[in-house]
Amino acid sequence: EVLLVESGGGLVNPGGSLRLSCAASGFSFKSAWMSWVRQAPGKGLEYVGRIKSNIDGATTDYAAPVKGRFIISRQDSTDTLYLQLNSLKTEDTGLYFCVTDLFLTGILHHWGQGALVTVSS
Amino acid sequence: DIQMTQSPSFLSASVGDRVTITCRAGQNIDNYLNWYQQKPGKAPKLLIYGASTLESGDPSRFSGSGSGTDFTLTINNVQPDDFATYYCQESYSIPPYMFGQGTKLDMK
Repeated sequence: EVLLVESGGGLVNPGGSLRLSCAASGFSFKSAWMSWVRQAPGKGLEYVGRIKSNIDGATTDYAAPVKGRFIISRQDSTDTLYLQLNSLKTEDTGLYFCVTDLFLTGILHHWGQGALVTVSS
Repeated sequence: DIQMTQSPSFLSASVGDRVTITCRAGQNIDNYLNWYQQKPGKAPKLLIYGASTLESGDPSRFSGSGSGTDFTLTINNVQPDDFATYYCQESYSIPPYMFGQGTKLDMK
């Protein structure tokens, strides 16, 4: 069974930083492309970004609102995905989901339960 | 980025009804269109991918169709468990893969 467990969320001041982790199990993490999707309170889904597998160069792509501020990385030795959030803004508040892309096509198969990030002074 | 527009934003239905949700892409995306279901307080769940392929384990009352720019999600014989919010998402070319704004299906 695929399991994704996010952690690291919390309350942070505007301009601050936070790092989210996602512990993965139940599938070949090293082969998977992984994405982050967020959801502001009471709002819809917003794609944050993706990292390919190390075999495919571990290249990353980001949505415009987070490009230059957020960094996605991975550690295959521990089956962990990361999202480094820098220069946080109040509009970054929301639930951040870790998601698998097992077909390597942008189809978001398995979702974690989400980590809540609140940006407020 | 590819603009995705869903309609309607809200939909009321009774158990047993047939409902249709529409998703329109701002450009041709072939059949790179996926549908997700999200219940309150839960993570989204993949429902249909490739415009019309039902995810394993999902009920056959859900179906998807369309290609190019216009797509539909149809739920036949709506069941109580189906009242949720539905999102379309394009997975054409490279990220970011854009979502529609969502359609909330509630009980009439």
